[in-house]
Amino acid sequence: GAGVSQSPSNKVTEKGKDVELRCDPISGHTALYWYRQSLGQGLEFLIYFQGNSAPDKSGLPSDRFSAERTGGSVSTLTIQRTQQEDSAVYLCASSRTSLGTTQKQYFGPGTRLTVT
Amino acid sequence: QKEVEQNSGPLSVPEGAIASLNCTYSDRGSQSFFWYRQYSGKSPELIMSIYSNGDKEDGRFTAQLNKASQYVSLLIRDSQPSDSATYLCAVNSRYSSASKIIFGSGTRLSIRP
Repeated sequence: GAGVSQSPSNKVTEKGKDVELRCDPISGHTALYWYRQSLGQGLEFLIYFQGNSAPDKSGLPSDRFSAERTGGSVSTLTIQRTQQEDSAVYLCASSRTSLGTTQKQYFGPGTRLTVT
Repeated sequence: QKEVEQNSGPLSVPEGAIASLNCTYSDRGSQSFFWYRQYSGKSPELIMSIYSNGDKEDGRFTAQLNKASQYVSLLIRDSQPSDSATYLCAVNSRYSSASKIIFGSGTRLSIRP
């Protein structure tokens, strides 16, 4: 079956512009996660959704970052007034649920964001 | 103290040998443990999951869990050059009613021919 998809695969934007990153999870997966990975670094947790609600937004770096999920499926991560330090690969993952053995996460290919 | 700790490496192992990757975690309530492999420029890929103490084997991979010591490891037997990658340990962590996965920063493994 289809895996997690993300769009765009690459995004170059000017400092101060807003960007929207999209994630389409595996069909039937109720949990969705956003991570950020800078070059050579580990995964930085941003936010996770169970259904359409976000029980944990603790990883969002600032109020310029927001995310939503509608219909329990597609999610959009929005970064307002982008800064150069926002440049990274943004990864989305989904899992069947957020509990126990069904927490196995499957990652999308990522969106490489470059802020010039 | 980081919630999930891994030696960043690089860990260099000769081809055909056993590679041993280690991970410690701080939340005693953690119940789910995962190992992901990430090739350079690619997304993480789940390779093993383990939920109870002891060993779990899958092909050349063995995951070992010791909850009393808060320690999880991954052994790769008969290491191949294609095993060269960064290996991420991930552990679930409970916050009130929510549960999320915490990733370690990864161990870079290099298999030398």
